[in-house]
Parts: sequence; structure tokens; C-alpha cells
Amino acid sequence: DGGITQSPKYLFRKEGQNVTLSCEQNLNHDAMYWYRQDPGQGLRLIYYSQIVNDFQKGDIAEGYSVSREKKESFPLTVTSAQKNPTAFYLCASSRQGVAFFGQGTRLTVV
Amino acid sequence: RKEVEQDPGPFNVPEGATVAFNCTYSNSASQSFFWYRQDCRKEPKLLMSVYSSGNEDGRFTAQLNRASQYISLLIRDSKLSDSATYLCVVIPGYSTLTFGKGTMLLVSP
Repeated sequence: DGGITQSPKYLFRKEGQNVTLSCEQNLNHDAMYWYRQDPGQGLRLIYYSQIVNDFQKGDIAEGYSVSREKKESFPLTVTSAQKNPTAFYLCASSRQGVAFFGQGTRLTVV
Repeated sequence: RKEVEQDPGPFNVPEGATVAFNCTYSNSASQSFFWYRQDCRKEPKLLMSVYSSGNEDGRFTAQLNRASQYISLLIRDSKLSDSATYLCVVIPGYSTLTFGKGTMLLVSP
């Protein structure tokens, strides 16, 4: 089955640690995105990539980093510089505007 | 003006009611429009695309008004299972997906 997979589903991080969220898709989509969603809020764009080896900052990129070494993979690293990382993180891929989302990762800083 | 704006709601309606949401967008060059549905603590899922001439999928009707720069979603004969947050997505010319913050719908018995 084609789809987009995020892992882990839940992640707990100590303050000061970097963590990497995985996002893999087998839909052969060029475009991939990372969004952050806080309780009762909309989706805010962190980073996006339209093609392998290229990515662009979104609206809230500070404290995050990404890579796009393969078409299928777009991992997101939440660095210690991100002041308030506790949130629901959603990865998406798209073709011709239609986006498909992974099930999300809930990150909690403890 | 924000790129994409939606009334956050909640819209509280009884089962069987008809309810409509609007979503306004600021970029007149926007080319593609979609409605997504998001259940609590889940990922958004595509509900329907919005075509220039308007389109219908069962109880759902989507329309685009380019002159006034908004899209709409009409739900007829609301079901309890329609309770969710409805997100509009607008794609400007540079292809980044821009989401509205969503409109919450609560359908009660």
C-alpha cells in the first residue's frame, strides 16, 4: 500500500536534547512538508521541499532543521534551540496540490 | 489580511441540519483549492477538491467564488460523524500548501 509513514507516534525529550522525527513516503511525490500543530491551533509550516537536495524554510523554521537526501525521506530535527517544542508534528507529501499526511508525531518535552 | 482565513467556530448544529463554512484567501493568483477534514488528535484527510464550476460529493458541496476570493463547503443532512474540524487549503502560484486554521463542527443528536 502506498502511503506516508511517520515515526515514532509519541516522543518524549529532555530539555536540551535534539530529536529527529522520521517521515517516509512511497507515493513517489516530489513535494514534502513539515507542519506543527498546537492544541486548538491550525497547521504552521516549518519546512518544505519541492525536490531532492533542496528545501525551504516555512513560517516557523527557527530551532528546526531538515534534510532531503532521498525522494522518499524528509526527516525533521528538533534542536535544543527550539524554545517550545511540545506539539503535534505532521509530515505531508503532495502531487498536484493534493496532500497526504502521516499519522503525526506527538513530541513532549519533559 | 491573512493568507487564508476561516471562522474557527464551533458551529453547533442538530443532526439533519444544513451547515455552510466559508474560507477567504488573499492571493488572487491562487490556483487550487481543497477541503480537508481533521478529527480530534488525528491527521487531516482530504475531503474534496474545489473546482471552478463547483462540485458535489454526496451530502457535500464545494464552491469557489474567485471574484470575492472565497471557497465554501456546504454539508446537508448533517450526521453525528460529521463532527470534526474542516480545513481549507489554498495553493498560490508557488505551490506551497497554505492551510486555514480550520472550522470546528459539532453535530448533536
